[in-house]
Amino acid sequence: QKEVEQNSGPLSVPEGAIASLNCTYSDRGSQSFFWYRQYSGKSPELIMSIYSNGDKEDGRFTAQLNKASQYVSLLIRDSQPSDSATYLCAGGDSGGYQKVTFGIGTKLQVIP
Amino acid sequence: GAVVSQHPSWVICKSGTSVKIECRSLDFQATTMFWYRQFPKQSLMLMATSNEGSKATYEQGVEKDKFLINHASLTLSTLTVTSAHPEDSSFYICSARDLGLAGEVNEQFFGPGTRLTVL
Repeated sequence: QKEVEQNSGPLSVPEGAIASLNCTYSDRGSQSFFWYRQYSGKSPELIMSIYSNGDKEDGRFTAQLNKASQYVSLLIRDSQPSDSATYLCAGGDSGGYQKVTFGIGTKLQVIP
Repeated sequence: GAVVSQHPSWVICKSGTSVKIECRSLDFQATTMFWYRQFPKQSLMLMATSNEGSKATYEQGVEKDKFLINHASLTLSTLTVTSAHPEDSSFYICSARDLGLAGEVNEQFFGPGTRLTVL
């Protein structure tokens, strides 16, 4: 059973702070990882994808991947109330069938 | 780019009726589309992988005769919930992979979802 694990939260951070979201995965063969943002009642929106070990930055978002530790994280700098949402971590299956496995998501609350 | 639409956005139906949900990729071609279901406060659960021109691949525990999937073209997949019951009430979301993004193998773009309520 391929699993992606996240703390469901909520994670509360003050406005302007750095929010750190973490995720671990069980599929050692997985090569692709994604962070999606999901607002309540809406469908997920892709924020970042990462395929190589290390950091990948896009604006206020930085994704970090450590394949040896099977660990993925997302940092949100200068957090804004509009960042309040559930963040889903996902890993691409190693079977080559293009599927991804989603974690349960971490609810982030940015306090003004 | 990479816009996926779904129709309808919400539907209420009586128990025993069938409901069809459409998923379209608007500005790209999608050989593969995925259908998910999400219950309140739970994560996305993959129901099936829809492949253009061939039969869908269903996840374990998903009844293929109840959830009919048709992927007739590179831009359209449909999910029909047959003989719907109240326990089928959920948020159904499709996603598609952009063939043009050759480097991003698994990157999926989601439709806005369809909220189904079965009375």
